[in-house]
Amino acid sequence: DVVMTQSPLSLPVSLGQPASISCRSSQSLVHSGGATFLSWWQQRPGQSPRRLIYQVSNRDSGVPDRFGGSGSGTDFTLSITRVEAEDVGVYYCMQGSHAPHTFGQGTKLEIK
Amino acid sequence: EVQVVESGGDLVQPGGSLRLSCAASGFTLSTYHMGWVRQAPGKGLEWVSAIGSSGNTYYPDSVKGRFTISRDISKNTLYLQMNSLRAEDTAVYYCVRCSPNFGCKNPEHWGQGTLATVSS
Repeated sequence: DVVMTQSPLSLPVSLGQPASISCRSSQSLVHSGGATFLSWWQQRPGQSPRRLIYQVSNRDSGVPDRFGGSGSGTDFTLSITRVEAEDVGVYYCMQGSHAPHTFGQGTKLEIK
Repeated sequence: EVQVVESGGDLVQPGGSLRLSCAASGFTLSTYHMGWVRQAPGKGLEWVSAIGSSGNTYYPDSVKGRFTISRDISKNTLYLQMNSLRAEDTAVYYCVRCSPNFGCKNPEHWGQGTLATVSS
C-alpha cells in the first residue's frame, strides 16, 4: 500500500499568518494515464471531511482562494496564505493513484 | 442539490451484523462510483468499500469476505452489509460520491456519517 506521511501533525498558527502542510507518498503518484490523484480534505470539528483541492492544485468550488495546493511526484503541499478562525480543523491528504487509496494521518490546525 | 444521507449505525455485539444505508438525492446513484470510508474514534480515514458504475466492487483485506457493498437503483440507495463484526470495526462510516470522470480516484462529496459500535 502507498503510505502517505503528513507533517507536521500539529500546527498552531496565529490569525492572519500563513501555514503549510506537507504530504509525502511512499511512491510516485503519477497515474499511468499521466494525471496525479492527490487531494486535500478539511475536517472541521464535528463535521465530515470536505474536499478543498483535487489533482494536486485544483481548488474546489466555494473554497477560498487563500487555499492552494502544489507539488509533484511524491512531495505535495497545502498552503494557506492567511489563516482565519474558520480554518481550525484536521487536514488530510489522500492519494487515488494506486489501489488501495490511502490517506495521510491528518494535521490538526489550531489558532495560537 | 447533491445529498447523501447515511443511516443504520447501531450498537452490535462482536460477531454480529449491521446494514448501513446511504440515500442519495440530487443525482442518479447508479451512474457514479460510490464508496464507504470509515473513521475510528479519534483516528484517521480508511476506505472500506467502493462500487463502480458498472457494478465492479473493491474491498481492502481488512474487510474482504465480511463486508458487501450493493445498491438499489429503484431506491437510489447504497448499502454496506457488515458481517462478523469486530471491535476494531467501531467507527463512523461515511458514504462518499466519487468523481464522474475519475471515479474514486477523486472522491467528491461525503455524507455526515453514521456510527457503528461493536461492543459486548
